[in-house]
Amino acid sequence: KNQVEQSPQSLIILEGKNCTLQCNYTVSPFSNLRWYKQDTGRGPVSLTIMTFSENTKSNGRYTATLDADTKQSSLHITASQLSDSASYICVVSGGNSGAGSYQLTFGKGTKLSVIP
Amino acid sequence: EAGVTQFPSHSVIEKGQTVTLRCDPISGHDNLYWYRRVMGKEIKFLLHFVKESKQDESGMPNNRFLAERTGGTYSTLKVQPAELEDSGVYFCASSQEYGRYEQYFGPGTRLTVT
Repeated sequence: KNQVEQSPQSLIILEGKNCTLQCNYTVSPFSNLRWYKQDTGRGPVSLTIMTFSENTKSNGRYTATLDADTKQSSLHITASQLSDSASYICVVSGGNSGAGSYQLTFGKGTKLSVIP
Repeated sequence: EAGVTQFPSHSVIEKGQTVTLRCDPISGHDNLYWYRRVMGKEIKFLLHFVKESKQDESGMPNNRFLAERTGGTYSTLKVQPAELEDSGVYFCASSQEYGRYEQYFGPGTRLTVT
């Protein structure tokens, strides 16, 4: 069964600190892995997309890593800001053949709260 | 450039009634997707349109759900008759190409069935 597991479920950090969110997946065959940021009441917004051959990708203060052998990914947030408070969702594309070969499988997300 | 828009933002209906959700994708995006998040669960795929054709509808839960995309522009998702378990947030997304391309999500429609 295609699954994406994220940890921790929630996290509270002080403004200015760094944090790392984890993602494990069992989606196969694998196409790509995405991290999304979802603010309350809004749709998910893409942060990074990584394919099998990419093991790190940055977007400003966000750095995602991918280990396709162990099927693990992480999202590192540097120098957190209050505006980073959101849910961060790990999403894996693949897991099917034919028309649904790039179908997205979502994790439940990690709810990050950055406090002053 | 306008993003993906969805209407209504929130709908409250009684069990057995009909509701139609609308999604307007980013102009020029041939690929349109519907997703759903029920409370406490992850977002799940419902279906994928390429222009007006249903490319993949493997995630549609049952035949009470009907999605259309006439003319290959906006899409509607009708739930008839609605059941309590249909409550959740319905997201629409669009992309220029399919595959490893970014999908742009709308703000979602929160559906509450009482």
